[in-house]
This record gives sequence, structure tokens and C-alpha cells, in this order.
Amino acid sequence: NAGVTQTPKFRVLKTGQSMTLLCAQDMNHEYMYWYRQDPGMGLRLIHYSVGEGTTAKGEVPDGYNVSRLKKQNFLLGLESAAPSQTSVYFCASSYIRASNQPQHFGDGTRLSIL
Amino acid sequence: GENVEQHPSTLSVQEGDSAVIKCTYSDSASNYFPWYKQELGKRPQLIIDIRSNVGEKKDQRIAVTLNKTAKHFSLHITETQPEDSAVYFCAASLGGSGTGKLIFGQGTTLQVKP
Repeated sequence: NAGVTQTPKFRVLKTGQSMTLLCAQDMNHEYMYWYRQDPGMGLRLIHYSVGEGTTAKGEVPDGYNVSRLKKQNFLLGLESAAPSQTSVYFCASSYIRASNQPQHFGDGTRLSIL
Repeated sequence: GENVEQHPSTLSVQEGDSAVIKCTYSDSASNYFPWYKQELGKRPQLIIDIRSNVGEKKDQRIAVTLNKTAKHFSLHITETQPEDSAVYFCAASLGGSGTGKLIFGQGTTLQVKP
């Protein structure tokens, strides 16, 4: 049981390049989330998904797209990377229950845009 | 939009002393309040959580208190140890949305001096 796995762990891009970050979870969680973490700003929600085939915008969605074609995978795409997207990206997942459940995080992807 | 304010941003204590971190939330429908610990370069990990139907919860040296009327909650760490040094994040659920979404505070860097 690996939990939440993110790939890649590190990446350096040039401005204008595109890339996809992959998040995979093996806990059969319905909910999945993408956050970015910047110094002094906590974790900010980019996009999230409440189930296979569904996605929705979070707090800071501009410049990012997502897809959830399979329940266990949640992809985050940067179509044209900008220096402002230099950050640490975390994926998380959680169960559906009658009450809120803890989110489980991956190890993060450290992304630098030059 | 809804937000969570966390204070202090940095906290330095002597080993064995207690540490208290406070958070205030704005969404009156919030009903779930987790706390995460993040060591340098690692993923955020849940250390304790509390739901709105209780006012206090303890787990060994860690406790969380919740005042729904005032819309604030606090993390208390007693008998601090050097391994408690980390960044701590509070979070509050976005009540009523059915998405499991959390809003995070900005984080508190705790340093425990031996």
C-alpha cells in the first residue's frame, strides 16, 4: 500500500514549456486534490475532483488544467509554464463519508520554471 | 472568500516547554479542523483533528481545542522535544460543500531548542 504517489519528484522547465504531473493513489479514495505550496502562503488549492470523470476549480486554478480519467489517477497540466508557477506541488486524496475525512498527501513535486 | 488565519508565524521554545498555535476561521459552516505537521522537505502529515461536536481532543502530548462561537481553534503541544520542530498547518473544512475541501492557514514554524 503506497498511499499517494507523485511523479516526478523534481523538474526544471523553461518558460513556455508544458508538462504533466501525475498523482496516483491506491486507497480507493473518491476525492483528490492538487495544491501548490509557496513560502509563507500555506497550501492553496488549485483544482480538485470528487470522482472519476469530474473536476472543479479551486482557489488558484489559472494556468493549470486537470483530468481524472481513472479513479486512482489525477493529472495536473501546465500548458505554458511561467516563472510564477515555480512552486512545490502536492497531491492529496480522501474518502467520502457522511463527515469530512483527513486528506492524505503525496511527497510533492518541486517544480522550477526558468 | 473564506479564510483561515494562523498565529504566530514563528515560535521558538525551550525543550520541555509548551507550545500553542492559534487559528481563526471565517466559514461558520466549517465542521472539521485538522492539524498537519510538515518536516523540512517532507509531505504534510495529519497529527490530530477535531470535529465540531466536541470542544477538545487529546493524543498524548498533543491537544486541540475548539471554540465554535468565537470561530477559533488551537493546537497545544506539551513537553516539547527537538523532534517537534517543524512547520504546523491548521485547516478548516468548507462546510456544506460536500467536497471535503479544506482551507489552510499560513503555517507556523516551531523551533524547539535543546
